[in-house]
Amino acid sequence: DVKVTQSSRYLVKRTGEKVFLECVQDMDHENMFWYRQDPGLGLRLIYFSYDVKMKEKGDIPEGYSVSREKKERFSLILESASTNQTSMYLCASRSTGRPVAFFGEGSRLTVL
Amino acid sequence: DQQVKQNSPSLSVQEGRISILNCDYTNSMFDYFLWYKKYPAEGPTFLISISSIKDKNEDGRFTVFLNKSAKHLSLHIVPSQPGDSAVYFCAASYTGTYKYIFGTGTRLKVLA
Repeated sequence: DVKVTQSSRYLVKRTGEKVFLECVQDMDHENMFWYRQDPGLGLRLIYFSYDVKMKEKGDIPEGYSVSREKKERFSLILESASTNQTSMYLCASRSTGRPVAFFGEGSRLTVL
Repeated sequence: DQQVKQNSPSLSVQEGRISILNCDYTNSMFDYFLWYKKYPAEGPTFLISISSIKDKNEDGRFTVFLNKSAKHLSLHIVPSQPGDSAVYFCAASYTGTYKYIFGTGTRLKVLA
């Protein structure tokens, strides 16, 4: 089974802090994604990466950056956290050949 | 503009009856559709998918129907069980992209 592991399940940060969310997958998938989930808004794509060091903006990239230095790892960075970034963050990965994404358990971020 | 819509935020069904969750889309380029199930504080898990070359796909108690002319898909769960209580997201993708567009989700409650 595919395993997508997110480093932190729950985080509490202060406004202005830098936040790192880490995601690791163990299935050699080429593609990795960061989504955020908010009530009534569903899952919205922040960034995705289709290869090492390659990234593309999703629908809501403002306030976020990403890093993919190794194939198995995709990091989401909030340079200066704000209260409107309080959310559930979900990492996913998929192979190029099979159109099914597998998700991690999520990271619940609260920014005070 | 919301390309994938789930117009019913919630649905309650008696145990043993059929649950029907609906999803509409606007982009005619979408050619692959997926349903995910999400429990609170967990990541979404893949449930079932359908390619646009089919109009039905079945997996146990779960069946997905696709009506391309109406740009509509539905998920049928028969018989519904209390463990099916969760939020269900539909997602769409198209050839040439590896990302997914998600709907806003429908919260299903199966009453014992």
